[in-house]
Amino acid sequence: DTAVSQTPKYLVTQMGNDKSIKCEQNLGHDTMYWYKQDSKKFLKIMFSYNNKELIINETVPNRFSPKSPDKAHLNLHINSLELGDSAVYFCASSQDLMGGFHSEANVLTFGAGSRLTVL
Amino acid sequence: AQSVTQLDSHVSVSEGTPVLLRCNYSSSYSPSLFWYVQHPNKGLQLLLKYTSAATLVKGINGFEAEFKKSETSFHLTKPSAHMSDAAEYFCVVNDMRFGAGTRLTVKP
Repeated sequence: DTAVSQTPKYLVTQMGNDKSIKCEQNLGHDTMYWYKQDSKKFLKIMFSYNNKELIINETVPNRFSPKSPDKAHLNLHINSLELGDSAVYFCASSQDLMGGFHSEANVLTFGAGSRLTVL
Repeated sequence: AQSVTQLDSHVSVSEGTPVLLRCNYSSSYSPSLFWYVQHPNKGLQLLLKYTSAATLVKGINGFEAEFKKSETSFHLTKPSAHMSDAAEYFCVVNDMRFGAGTRLTVKP
């Protein structure tokens, strides 16, 4: 029973298309995240939601729009895809955000990743 | 603002020799610090975490890290490298921002 599941695992699409990646966690966590990992393995945080509320919104093109229908789901929608959007996108969850110094709450559980290729 | 700097983008060791992956942090207050590992074409897994209880933290697979406030460091070590340790390692500070990563290569 996968703790953080993302779909699809692979996505190949043309420039200009709109696509979505879905993420669900069954851990009862309050906080979910999207990270982008580029070809050099750099992991950049994109968004974070805590109980369906947007908490972290890094400098990301507004073609990227996260949607959290409930605290167990955080989907990522990307409009007008560009070549530079090709990357692996990781969803993650944690019990809480910045839970403080004694913090099991900050430990991230990651999904397996979704590899997006834009042609 | 908080940040981490991983001092080496690539570390290469021989099997059976010690591993040292370096991480320095910047924080205006005592941070929580983490190391995550990513094996090739796999997701990310928590190796260990520092959350104040002890400055020397033991993790999975024989790894450990020592929190040194005076040096603002949280270096990851292992006494003896194994081939299966070859992976990408990330140091993370508690606002969930990742360091640039260190690729560990283990030679036979």
